[in-house]
Amino acid sequence: DAKTTQPTSMDCAEGRAANLPCNHSTISGNEYVYWYRQIHSQGPQYIIHGLKNNETNEMASLIITEDRKSSTLILPHATLRDTAVYYCIVRDRGSSNTGKLIFGQGTTLQVKP
Amino acid sequence: ETGVTQTPRHLVMGMTNKKSLKCEQHLGHNAMYWYKQSAKKPLELMFVYSLEERVENNSVPSRFSPECPNSSHLFLHLHTLQPEDSALYLCASSQRTGGLDGGYTFGSGTRLTVV
Repeated sequence: DAKTTQPTSMDCAEGRAANLPCNHSTISGNEYVYWYRQIHSQGPQYIIHGLKNNETNEMASLIITEDRKSSTLILPHATLRDTAVYYCIVRDRGSSNTGKLIFGQGTTLQVKP
Repeated sequence: ETGVTQTPRHLVMGMTNKKSLKCEQHLGHNAMYWYKQSAKKPLELMFVYSLEERVENNSVPSRFSPECPNSSHLFLHLHTLQPEDSALYLCASSQRTGGLDGGYTFGSGTRLTVV
């Protein structure tokens, strides 16, 4: 699986947009970008995923650069409950395997009042 | 609740004990996983089951023994563990292949302490 690089930690003011970057310069054509988050001592929670187009759902937006070498997860109005570790993962969803998720260190996002 | 239920939530066991962790999902998924998360370390993938068959064992010591009796249930049998095995053990499930699914669904984990 391709490797991702994320900042170790970030702060964000409550109510403001949180922009979490991720570099995945060795991503291959059939690998998707997935974002998960893990609130303290809970299981990771799926946020969003994409291949090359920008994606939006009720939780967040995902912006993927045209060359697919980096992406940004956007939480439009961060709340204190968004404080968590955010993981950016590239994953092969080819039909011949289970497309296992391999987690890195992630970014610890601290949302402050 | 995420749809993946893990029991117990907390477990304290001695090094000579035998215990089992249980994971149950009713999401219609056909792949299940065990992960280990030690303090200040990333999640480590331990075992992968697809259609009730173990397809991956990431060099996990034999004192950890998984069992998948059907597509809805996954167990992790523990025996003669070491204190360094204390960690959060997470179960996840997913569709095996393809589709536009949202990836894995995780349980809340079992916090294991080996004394």
